[in-house]
Amino acid sequence: GDSVTQMEGPVTLSEEAFLTINCTYTATGYPSLFWYVQYPGEGLQLLLKATKADDKGSNKGFEATYRKETTSFHLEKGSVQVSDSAVYFCALPGVSGGYNKLIFGAGTRLAVHP
Amino acid sequence: GAGVSQSPSNKVTEKGKDVELRCDPISGHTALYWYRQSLGQGLEFLIYFQGNSAPDKSGLPSDRFSAERTGGSVSTLTIQRTQQEDSAVYLCASSPPYTGGATYGYTFGSGTRLTVV
Repeated sequence: GDSVTQMEGPVTLSEEAFLTINCTYTATGYPSLFWYVQYPGEGLQLLLKATKADDKGSNKGFEATYRKETTSFHLEKGSVQVSDSAVYFCALPGVSGGYNKLIFGAGTRLAVHP
Repeated sequence: GAGVSQSPSNKVTEKGKDVELRCDPISGHTALYWYRQSLGQGLEFLIYFQGNSAPDKSGLPSDRFSAERTGGSVSTLTIQRTQQEDSAVYLCASSPPYTGGATYGYTFGSGTRLTVV
């Protein structure tokens, strides 16, 4: 079945460091891919998305490229800030029961220190 | 509304009591979802409503859990005879009709934190 695998956290970085959070997927066809972010005490927010192979999603300095050949959608940011501390979830729409059920990875907690 | 609204934001209940959690989706979003997030864990799908179609209940963990959606808008998730393992954050999300969720993603509410003591 469809699945999403994320690197385990927590990821701890100093401010202005480079961030990569790995995400790989298994899916039927070529679904859209998403990154969601959950700040402390809040719900999930859509961070960025890509709808087809080689698309690059970007938002708030974060980027992720839809790589069909490696079935990956790694999240990157060139210079993280303390305010980026959150949990990040990779997701794709599952094919079970139709294409309207997002399957989430386990989440990766990022802690950025000054 | 402008966003997905959930109430209450926090709920503490005694073991064995029933609770109702409410979700008010974005106006015009015909698809509505409930997820559960246990402490430090990922997201667990519970139930999905799409318009007037029969809901996908495949994620409900037991028959103590039920949900309804009235008038294609507001949804209520009911947990009967609550247990301590039901303690979690319950998240609601909505998306545009048909493949809108798959294409544009879901908009989540801030969640209801349920604590069963």
